[in-house]
Amino acid sequence: AQKITQTQPGMFVQEKEAVTLDCTYDTSDPSYGLFWYKQPSSGEMIFLIYQGSYDQQNATEGRYSLNFQKARKSANLVISASQLGDSAMYFCAMREGRGLSFGAGTTVTVRA
Amino acid sequence: NAGVTQTPKFQVLKTGQSMTLQCAQDMNHNSMYWYRQDPGMGLRLIYYSASEGTTDKGEVPNGYNVSRLNKREFSLRLESAAPSQTSVYFCASSEGGRTSNQPQHFGDGTRLSIL
Repeated sequence: AQKITQTQPGMFVQEKEAVTLDCTYDTSDPSYGLFWYKQPSSGEMIFLIYQGSYDQQNATEGRYSLNFQKARKSANLVISASQLGDSAMYFCAMREGRGLSFGAGTTVTVRA
Repeated sequence: NAGVTQTPKFQVLKTGQSMTLQCAQDMNHNSMYWYRQDPGMGLRLIYYSASEGTTDKGEVPNGYNVSRLNKREFSLRLESAAPSQTSVYFCASSEGGRTSNQPQHFGDGTRLSIL
């Protein structure tokens, strides 16, 4: 069963606008962590932001923020003030057991 | 600051050939990982090593072996390559283990094609 679901295969956003990327997850473990990674066309994986299951506040890192709704098992990434360099694939991942379980990703294209 | 270094970056093999993908990290991390990424998909865990001398299977371990040579190095071996193993392979490392909130740091990947 898929543990991380990203329902948006691709999104377009205008430069300087905000975009929200959806992520829902499934786990029965009360202790877990959620990560977002960015993968540009060059292929490397870049860590963006982390949210722990026991964190009381939503995580923020610069222009990235995480809308964490624990009861709904969702951890949506918000990118504010989009830039052309934000065009990339974005992956939601959940830490459980040994490694990370990744969603299928969302491609974001920022238009000038 | 190198971080996680993978070699080679590209490789083409024939079916049945063997190969070892190398990975080294200079961040003094205990945990290291091997993932594969197929087109249009997220990464899937092949093997994991919590510390030197220990390894554990991930989601897709069949057809692979690993060696945690020391704290820095974690290699992935394909004994008899198959076309289904054509993929991009990523090595990663992290500080801490199962309950850690520390992110995994990834290498740049190895693009492997098996004909």
